[in-house]
Amino acid sequence: GESVGLHLPTLSVQEGDNSIINCAYSNSASDYFIWYKQESGKGPQFIIDIRSNMDKRQGQRVTVLLNKTVKHLSLQIAATQPGDSAVYFCAENGQTRAGNQFYFGTGTSLTVIP
Amino acid sequence: NAGVTQTPKFQVLKTGQSMTLQCAQDMNHEYMSWYRQDPGMGLRLIHYSVGAGITDQGEVPNGYNVSRSTTEDFPLRLLSAAPSQTSVYFCASSYRSPGTGDYEQYFGPGTRLTVT
Repeated sequence: GESVGLHLPTLSVQEGDNSIINCAYSNSASDYFIWYKQESGKGPQFIIDIRSNMDKRQGQRVTVLLNKTVKHLSLQIAATQPGDSAVYFCAENGQTRAGNQFYFGTGTSLTVIP
Repeated sequence: NAGVTQTPKFQVLKTGQSMTLQCAQDMNHEYMSWYRQDPGMGLRLIHYSVGAGITDQGEVPNGYNVSRSTTEDFPLRLLSAAPSQTSVYFCASSYRSPGTGDYEQYFGPGTRLTVT
């Protein structure tokens, strides 16, 4: 089946610095990607998404970059704040034998140091 | 809208006991799914449903049953709990944006299950 993985399990940044969280995916047929934020004791929360026909998408303080050539996805958080401390997951979505499915990476834990 | 709700928030079972994890959504989403989250494993799909009366297996369906009698509810049943089912369970609902065709997925707060 498909697999989505993250390069680094943990990341610590100083408050105000920019954060970059990376993700690799394996299914070249996936056409939609999402980044989620999960705070302790809560369910994942949608942050930003990108379709495979794009290579960059910007939101408020967040940017997602997609490199289909190497099947790599990254999430950039500008001016990281203590409230950004959480686990971040990437997920890929595409049609499989089982229908339209989401597959999640293992997550990167981001800690913001005040 | 309450979004996606799950009950209970916490549950402890003994090996062999059965129970049902409840999930409900009030967004009229057709697609609902159950995931389990284990340390270092990410979210893994257990079962999903593309509409009332339709369910199918995900990556890790063994030991779990589901049903979808209404659009709103998607309960997950453990028929005979095992310690390997100790995990955090998330229910999610999603819809396909008519404009972009993208699926937006919304998660419940989770149920923490311990099987001893």
